[in-house]
Amino acid sequence: AQKITQTQPGMFVQEKEAVTLDCTYDTSDQSYGLFWYKQPSSGEMIFLIYQGSYDEQNATEGRYSLNFQKARKSANLVISASQLGDSAMYFCAMRETGANNLFFGTGTRLTVIP
Amino acid sequence: GAVVSQHPSWVICKSGTSVKIECRSLDFQATTMFWYRQFPKQSLMLMATSNEGSKATYEQGVEKDKFLINHASLTLSTLTVTSAHPEDSSFYICSVGRGGRNEQYFGPGTRLTVT
Repeated sequence: AQKITQTQPGMFVQEKEAVTLDCTYDTSDQSYGLFWYKQPSSGEMIFLIYQGSYDEQNATEGRYSLNFQKARKSANLVISASQLGDSAMYFCAMRETGANNLFFGTGTRLTVIP
Repeated sequence: GAVVSQHPSWVICKSGTSVKIECRSLDFQATTMFWYRQFPKQSLMLMATSNEGSKATYEQGVEKDKFLINHASLTLSTLTVTSAHPEDSSFYICSVGRGGRNEQYFGPGTRLTVT
């Protein structure tokens, strides 16, 4: 079974609007971490935000927030006030207990329309 | 500044030759580094875990004799693609985990094209 599922291959958003990128995960671990990365066309992986499984509050980092719904096993990324520079691939990833490597979803390509 | 560097950033080689990719941890010592591969329009897939001073751990389906990993020091891991074929053309990215919850640093990646 896929550990990370991103069901939106592509998303469009108007500049200055908010957008939600979906991510669901599958794990039997009680302790795990969820990550979102941005990958522009240059290929580098840019860390955006992290949510720990025991964190009670949703993580926020500037314009990025993570809508963490543990019972549903979802960790959606919300980008507020979209900018043209937000156009990129976005990957959701998970790290399970005792591991340092990440399992990645298939990604969502976000295009911000001026 | 960059925490992890990779060299080269891109390389073109002929089929049958070998290519070495370096991954350096710049800010801290890393006993473990990870090598990922990303085919065009696809996600990152873990290839192997590089362990300093011991053999690398390869993921299922990854040929250890083809993708040689050497973690010679606490700041350097190398991935050598031996007898490269066009199907090995891909984007190779290393990462370093510091053990903290959100400290997973990625290198800028190496784009390999085998002709």
